[in-house]
Amino acid sequence: TQLLEQSPQFLSIQEGENLTVYCNSSSVFSSLQWYRQEPGEGPVLLVTVVTGGEVKKLKRLTFQFGDARKDSSLHITAAQPGDTGLYLCAGAWGDSNYQLIWGAGTKLIIKP
Amino acid sequence: NAGVMQNPRHLVRRRGQEARLRCSPMKGHSHVYWYRQLPEEGLKFMVYLQKENIIDESGMPKERFSAEFPKEGPSILRIQQVVRGDSAAYFCASREWGFANSPLHFGNGTRLTVT
Repeated sequence: TQLLEQSPQFLSIQEGENLTVYCNSSSVFSSLQWYRQEPGEGPVLLVTVVTGGEVKKLKRLTFQFGDARKDSSLHITAAQPGDTGLYLCAGAWGDSNYQLIWGAGTKLIIKP
Repeated sequence: NAGVMQNPRHLVRRRGQEARLRCSPMKGHSHVYWYRQLPEEGLKFMVYLQKENIIDESGMPKERFSAEFPKEGPSILRIQQVVRGDSAAYFCASREWGFANSPLHFGNGTRLTVT
């Protein structure tokens, strides 16, 4: 069974601090996606990483795909209250990007 | 340019009743996907439809659940004879035809509560 484990499950930090959340699996994925989900809303895609070792930046967010394409990390620099949300990673295999394996998410709270 | 529209946002059903969840994809999108999310869990794929065709229903329970995407109108996810374990948030996503890895756009979900 393919599993994606996200850690930590919950993180509460002060505004301005840095943080890293992780997404780990024993399976190899063809691509991995990161989403943010606000309460009462659907997930919104942040980034897709495809190549082992790939690093993508989205303003203060840095996403990295592991060399073996089994894990990924999301680093946020100088976190802001607007970064608060549930961060989900989802792995795809083969040619499909819809039969995703989803992690349970990291619930992030940034306190002002 | 409306996004993916799902209704109702909240649905309460008693055990044994039927639940019908609707999804209108983004304009120009002909691929629709349904997912289920339980509290504190990630999303689980249920079914993938194109207009008038079910492409992949491997994630859908064999009994009580059905889905359609007619030529006209929204996609419908139907759950017959609901049980308490069906309580969850159901999300619909859509994407453009012809772009295998184009992003999925999600609706805001229907939260089904079975009492």
